[in-house]
Amino acid sequence: DAKTTQPPSMDCAEGRAANLPCNHSTISGNEYVYWYRQIHSQGPQYIIHGLKNNETNEMASLIITEDRKSSTLILPHATLRDTAVYYCIVRVDGDYKLSFGAGTTVTVRA
Amino acid sequence: DGGITQSPKYLFRKEGQNVTLSCEQNLNHDAMYWYRQDPGQGLRLIYYSQIVNDFQKGDIAEGYSVSREKKESFPLTVTSAQKNPTAFYLCASRGRATDTQYFGPGTRLTVL
Repeated sequence: DAKTTQPPSMDCAEGRAANLPCNHSTISGNEYVYWYRQIHSQGPQYIIHGLKNNETNEMASLIITEDRKSSTLILPHATLRDTAVYYCIVRVDGDYKLSFGAGTTVTVRA
Repeated sequence: DGGITQSPKYLFRKEGQNVTLSCEQNLNHDAMYWYRQDPGQGLRLIYYSQIVNDFQKGDIAEGYSVSREKKESFPLTVTSAQKNPTAFYLCASRGRATDTQYFGPGTRLTVL
């Protein structure tokens, strides 16, 4: 599986958009980009995933660059409850194992 | 995590004792997974099962055992052979129609 690189931490102001970058420069054509988040002492929560097109759901938007070597998760209006560790994961189509790295600790401040 | 339950939330055991962690799902998912998380780190795969009566070792299976006798249940036993069992244990499941894993709330195991 391709590895991902994320900044270890970032701050965001409440009500502003949070843009979380992820680098996956060795991603293959059949690897999806997944995002999960984990609030302290809870199980990870699925946010969104995509292959090459940009995706949007009720939680977030996922922007994948044309060469697919990086992506950005956008939380459009961050709230205090969005404070969590965010994981960017690449997964091979048909391989159902997820490899979690250290993620980005996002702190939303009032 | 809705539909996946893990019990108990906190578990304490003495060193040398085996302990079994429960994971149940009512989502009719075929595949189930066990992960371990240590403080400040990501998740590591222990075991997974893609169908009843079948399971495979993950990246850190030593000292653990599982069974998958029912579709809804995938219990994990932490044996006395596991050298550092204190950790946060997470169970997940995935349905046939989606490639997305959904996680339970976790069990925090402390071995004294």
